[in-house]
Amino acid sequence: SAVISQKPSRDICQRGTSLTIQCQVDSQVTMMFWYRQQPGQSLTLIATANQGSEATYESGFVIDKFPISRPNLTFSTLTVSNMSPEDSSIYLCSLGGGTEAFFGQGTRLTVV
Amino acid sequence: AQSVAQPEDQVNVAEGNPLTVKCTYSVSGNPYLFWYVQYPNRGLQFLLKYITGDNLVKGSYGFEAEFNKSQTSFHLKKPSALVSDSALYFCAVRAKTSYDKVIFGPGTSLSVIP
Repeated sequence: SAVISQKPSRDICQRGTSLTIQCQVDSQVTMMFWYRQQPGQSLTLIATANQGSEATYESGFVIDKFPISRPNLTFSTLTVSNMSPEDSSIYLCSLGGGTEAFFGQGTRLTVV
Repeated sequence: AQSVAQPEDQVNVAEGNPLTVKCTYSVSGNPYLFWYVQYPNRGLQFLLKYITGDNLVKGSYGFEAEFNKSQTSFHLKKPSALVSDSALYFCAVRAKTSYDKVIFGPGTSLSVIP
């Protein structure tokens, strides 16, 4: 199974600022995914990040708010821009292909 | 489009009794199906998955799930519930297309009563 390291594990940020979340994988993967889990809610897919191309965003999520980088096959970042308290959530990166679906431990973001 | 339904927001069961957490799905073609558990203030933990073959899948912590293609269901079961099983359970589906996204159900909160 893959090992996913996600940083930071938690942060408290001021509204109007931005936070970049990093996801490092111990093996090369083609597709990485970013999810958001709002308090008391399920996981919602933000975008799919394919190395070498622009991320594909799900309905309700836009690149200006959640820019994603995927510079190589083991690393991705998600930035939460111009944060508001409504962005307070757990953000998780995920990878998988075929029969597997692995998740990082998540970044617990609180916006004050 | 893929979707997952978990019809029960909350399931309560007495310790020692069997438990069932329900899940139905909609996906084009044959699915990969997953169950995850999330304990308070902790990360998502994988329980089990259905890929192909035997419809009854056994997973971690004594959990099992039964895939029913005709009913498009993948209910999670355990013969004897423990208080420590109290947590949030998510069913998830991926279409059998390599590198496709995983879609989660809304979650079911399980409470096991001593």
